[in-house]
Amino acid sequence: KNEVEQSPQNLTAQEGEFITINCSYSVGISALHWLQQHPGGGIVSLFMLSSGKKKHGRLIATINIQEKHSSLHITASHPRDSAVYICAVSQNFGNEKLTFGTGTRLTIIP
Amino acid sequence: EAQVTQNPRYLITVTGKKLTVTCSQNMNHEYMSWYRQDPGLGLRQIYYSMNVEATDKGDVPEGYKVSRKEKRNFPLILESPSPNQTSLYFCASSLKSGGLYEQYFGPGTRLTVT
Repeated sequence: KNEVEQSPQNLTAQEGEFITINCSYSVGISALHWLQQHPGGGIVSLFMLSSGKKKHGRLIATINIQEKHSSLHITASHPRDSAVYICAVSQNFGNEKLTFGTGTRLTIIP
Repeated sequence: EAQVTQNPRYLITVTGKKLTVTCSQNMNHEYMSWYRQDPGLGLRQIYYSMNVEATDKGDVPEGYKVSRKEKRNFPLILESPSPNQTSLYFCASSLKSGGLYEQYFGPGTRLTVT
């Protein structure tokens, strides 16, 4: 079993829909990261959180430490949101090791 | 502009021919890392460096070497590349802030070993 599991693996939705991507992990963490990877490969850090909730524009990330679960929400989705979203956890044993999920491929249809 | 740069962006080479992928950051970050990304496996850490002259193995270090002689540079060396090292490689740097490390990724290097 992977230490970081994402669901769904693939998600197709209509423009304007509310999107939720889930991430569950099985290890102790110091932080959880949400990353975005567009076709063409570049990776951008969207959020880094250790508790609670963060919001940036139409994106919201939440984490529940007790349940070892995080969600990434996108409100009023747009075709430009089409990308692979990757969850990663930091296990801060003094070396800042990152363990990644395999990603969720999101496609927003106009 | 704050950034992480990698060169080359694309490389096709043959088995056994030594190569180096360069990584440089202009943000004075102490922590740098190399990852490879493969379909179905996601991103996996190859090597990381906590500071100059301080490097250590990640999850998949076999067949790779790194060095950190300067804070800004963290090259990845493949002494004798093999086809199973065909992959998309990312360099990242990060700065510790409030006890957490925010990651900044380079644009990626797509390597094909024939």
